[in-house]
Amino acid sequence: DAEITQSPRHKITETGRQVTLACHQTWNHNNMFWYRQDLGHGLRLIHYSYGVQDTNKGEVSDGYSVSRSNTEDLPLTLESAASSQTSVYFCASSESVRAGLDTQYFGPGTRLTVL
Amino acid sequence: GQNIDQPTEMTATEGAIVQINCTYQTSGFNGLFWYQQHAGEAPTFLSYNVLDGLEEKGRFSSFLSRSKGYSYLLLKELQMKDSASYLCAVRAHDYKLSFGAGTTVTVRA
Repeated sequence: DAEITQSPRHKITETGRQVTLACHQTWNHNNMFWYRQDLGHGLRLIHYSYGVQDTNKGEVSDGYSVSRSNTEDLPLTLESAASSQTSVYFCASSESVRAGLDTQYFGPGTRLTVL
Repeated sequence: GQNIDQPTEMTATEGAIVQINCTYQTSGFNGLFWYQQHAGEAPTFLSYNVLDGLEEKGRFSSFLSRSKGYSYLLLKELQMKDSASYLCAVRAHDYKLSFGAGTTVTVRA
């Protein structure tokens, strides 16, 4: 079955370290998204991509970067982890931006703790 | 930008009906989604409205009024497994989703 996976599922790191969270989908979806979820804030968009070599900043992109070298993967990198980046991170994908094909499907999430 | 409001918590009894309201202010509306999220799990898609009116899917229904910037999710015949957070999300003309903070529904026996 096609799916969307994230790794690792749990990560503890130290302030200042570079961290990369992986997201892999086998649906052949064009669009991929990274969100963070914190109590009281809901899901907030970090970065998104509408295709290979396309990346865009979301509302909370400072301190994060992404790259899209193929359809299946959108890794999220924290350049220098900060305690404020402790959160649960969700990756999502959708087939297209066309109405009816734009439902986003979410991965299982990565819980990141920055000490 | 988007401003999305929904109640923080609701409690209801097994077998009852609960209505979760969502109001939004947006600079460009292009659809509204409802997601369900159980504790510690990923959000899962429930429903989508782009035109005014009611969409029914089994025990769940979603309603949209674009002129009022208002939607609700109706959960009928509540079951214990419906205890979860319900997220309202608005899609803008740039195709991005903006999420409300979520409504935690607790179903009591």
